[in-house]
Amino acid sequence: DTGVSQNPRHKITKRGQNVTFRCDPISEHNRLYWYRQTLGQGPEFLTYFQNEAQLEKSRLLSDRFSAERPKGSFSTLEIQRTEQGDSAMYLCASSLVQGWAFFGQGTRLTVV
Amino acid sequence: AQRVTQPEKLLSVFKGAPVELKCNYSYSGSPELFWYVQYSRQRLQLLLRHISRESIKGFTADLNKGETSFHLKKPFAQEEDSAMYYCALRQGGSEKLVFGKGTKLTVNP
Repeated sequence: DTGVSQNPRHKITKRGQNVTFRCDPISEHNRLYWYRQTLGQGPEFLTYFQNEAQLEKSRLLSDRFSAERPKGSFSTLEIQRTEQGDSAMYLCASSLVQGWAFFGQGTRLTVV
Repeated sequence: AQRVTQPEKLLSVFKGAPVELKCNYSYSGSPELFWYVQYSRQRLQLLLRHISRESIKGFTADLNKGETSFHLKKPFAQEEDSAMYYCALRQGGSEKLVFGKGTKLTVNP
């Protein structure tokens, strides 16, 4: 599968623990995005990277959230001190063209 | 702030019937509008963009700036069109896509 790859696919964690998700974009794509989706809602934008530079961040991205894309290839999203409200599907997407995003299958986070 | 509204959470039609999924947006500038689709157990994927003015899988969508709408239409629905459809908006100068809550389309045989 040459599409966007996300790992793990599912994560169950206890409240207060830290979690990290990984996204491997399509190799030639310089744009990378993180979105969050909760039940009954559309995806909500979290952050955007162009190569290794983080150029946009949503106000949804509280100080407990941090994202990196160290060499302009894969990206990680870390959530510190998880809360039950963080339970959601975390989607990564990459693109070459603005708006034409290729999405991964997501990481489903459950905080218990 | 920009907003995308999809008024129908669920839409059910019979095979061969016309289908229209509604999308309204609020944005003061010139937006770029998209339709994304998610088939069962598959990832979210782009269906079409308004700037392309193309027809994909028989679907078309016209941007109506007067009515601030970008409704998705298909004259003859097929069972394989059953999926979750999301309308999305991108404002100039931003990479962010703002999505609606989605409409679940079911095409009955």
